[in-house]
Amino acid sequence: QQPVQSPQAVILREGEDAVINCSSSKALYSVHWYRQKHGEAPVFLMILLKGGEQKGHEKISASFNEKKQQSSLYLTASQLSYSGTYFCGTDGFNTGKLIFGQGTTLQVKP
Amino acid sequence: EAGVAQSPRYKIIEKRQSVAFWCNPISGHATLYWYQQILGQGPKLLIQFQNNGVVDDSQLPKDRFSAERLKGVDSTLKIQPAKLEDSAVYLCASSLGTSDRYEQYFGPGTRLTVT
Repeated sequence: QQPVQSPQAVILREGEDAVINCSSSKALYSVHWYRQKHGEAPVFLMILLKGGEQKGHEKISASFNEKKQQSSLYLTASQLSYSGTYFCGTDGFNTGKLIFGQGTTLQVKP
Repeated sequence: EAGVAQSPRYKIIEKRQSVAFWCNPISGHATLYWYQQILGQGPKLLIQFQNNGVVDDSQLPKDRFSAERLKGVDSTLKIQPAKLEDSAVYLCASSLGTSDRYEQYFGPGTRLTVT
């Protein structure tokens, strides 16, 4: 089952915050987040393992609620370089087999 | 550290022709993945290798797609014969492949156009 991401698209001004959600109908072991810029390959951002931990990377952080089978990606004080499509990938069994969501397109304007 | 290498970067073929893609993963990465990404969609896993063994190929159209990873390093993905709907970007990724260390690093991809 493909995870569902919301919103599908978001437009921000520099300095604004955004939240991207990823929801699965199946139990999850881990959630991965990637960012893909137009015409480029996806780039790994972070992985969240079962246990509800929260991770951060500069101004990008994420949380994982295994009971709700949901993860959220938080982008604070967005920069122009944050523009791109964000994908969550879910792994149900710690095998590395990821099912990716349909993506959330983020556009940050000056 | 060198990233994941793929070739060719672009390929245009006619339907019913064959095509092959090559991937060299990050050194020391045991797990290798091939994905198909159709424009506007997330990557879809075609096949996952652990060293030179297949872990999952449940979404690989085996009547036309094949993949191998000889010696547990390089890998090739072949399509024969190609159909119009195979037009997509084919991404190769690799990961360490140990428990809790499945973060994936992607190559630049091969953009395939079938006419």
